[in-house]
Amino acid sequence: AQSVSQHNHHVILSEAASLELGCNYSYGGTVNLFWYVQYPGQHLQLLLKYFSGDPLVKGIKGFEAEFIKSKFSFNLRKPSVQWSDTAEYFCAVTADSNYQLIWGAGTKLIIKP
Amino acid sequence: EAGVAQSPRYKIIEKRQSVAFWCNPISGHATLYWYQQILGQGPKLLIQFQNNGVVDDSQLPKDRFSAERLKGVDSTLKIQPAKLEDSAVYLCASSFGRSYEQYFGPGTRLTVT
Repeated sequence: AQSVSQHNHHVILSEAASLELGCNYSYGGTVNLFWYVQYPGQHLQLLLKYFSGDPLVKGIKGFEAEFIKSKFSFNLRKPSVQWSDTAEYFCAVTADSNYQLIWGAGTKLIIKP
Repeated sequence: EAGVAQSPRYKIIEKRQSVAFWCNPISGHATLYWYQQILGQGPKLLIQFQNNGVVDDSQLPKDRFSAERLKGVDSTLKIQPAKLEDSAVYLCASSFGRSYEQYFGPGTRLTVT
């Protein structure tokens, strides 16, 4: 069965620190990859997505992610985090076989001011 | 563009009672999803509609959960009778098609006592 794993359930950083959240998936075929974010009290919203082309994708609010096919990874990065980045981040993957979105368990990011 | 609407936002019921949730997707979105998100986990797909037909309901506990999408627009999800383990946030999402990004509503937080 397809699965998505996010390496850290909780991450605490200080403002201006660099961020990298890990995401690995298990599926050998073509995939579409997503990072969603849920700010406190708000609904899930798309941060960035990869369908094809340049494996380095840029999203909103300075976030980017790199698709490394050989490592089955789609890690999320931001060079300098802000207090407003405090949120829960979810990695999700759809396989070309059924388009069902498979979710990771999420990473809660807390930025200390 | 208006987002995905859900109601109610919160619901508290006793076990063995019934409850219904309503979702209005983004206009023009053919695909509608219902997810269950238990605290500390990523969303789990319950059912997926393409227009008014069910595409995937493999993870829907059909002995107690039911969903419909009459006329291919609004959808309702019902639980009857509710169990304690049904306490979760129920998310509705919609997309232009099965392979497109999903847009989420604010969710309904259900507490079963």
